Amino acid sequence: ETGVTQSPTHLIKTRGQQVTLRCSSQSGHNTVSWYQQALGQGPQFIFQYYREEENGRGNFPPRFSGLQFPNYSSELNVNALELDDSALYLCASRQGGDTGELFFGEGSRLTVL
Amino acid sequence: AQSVTQLDSHVSVSEGTPVLLRCNYSSSYSPSLFWYVQHPNKGLQLLLKYTSAATLVKGINGFEAEFKKSETSFHLTKPSAHMSDAAEYFCVVRTGFQKLVFGTGTRLLVSP
Repeated sequence: ETGVTQSPTHLIKTRGQQVTLRCSSQSGHNTVSWYQQALGQGPQFIFQYYREEENGRGNFPPRFSGLQFPNYSSELNVNALELDDSALYLCASRQGGDTGELFFGEGSRLTVL
Repeated sequence: AQSVTQLDSHVSVSEGTPVLLRCNYSSSYSPSLFWYVQHPNKGLQLLLKYTSAATLVKGINGFEAEFKKSETSFHLTKPSAHMSDAAEYFCVVRTGFQKLVFGTGTRLLVSP
């Protein structure tokens, strides 16, 4: 079975631009979560999607938005980029249910100049 | 609100010596706790999880952790460190709607 894959692996943007990050969930997983990991910090929860609906959100502004598609892949969009948005963005997927283990991708490293 | 505190930002050990990574948790009810490992430029890998079954939890690669309610602790241990154990380790608590709350991480350094 394939794991969680993310693209692009690295990208550089400038302040004010917009970015879209993509995630393919592990086969059979219908729940996708996104996390932001700033340098030297632990990951922070951005939001979670279950069957194409957002069903949980962390303390991030509305310029962070997402989508989940019928095949359960997902996108994270960030508008009006700020320097503090520079981070590793991690996608994780799991099968729905309280005890489903989260499987993480290797992340997309975003640098905002 | 549920949270975890990792007591050491860095831990240095010699290969073959025991490893102890400390974590305290804060929760108003019985928590679900995890340890994840992150190798450089890699994603996060689950080492082990506690979900109110046995208090001593065994994980992958020889790691284990003990849930101690009286001390609100969930420390990670390994009897003998290997060079390949050098990585960042995160203690994590899961909240009610499946959000993971991560600690700030402990970097484990293993010297020959």
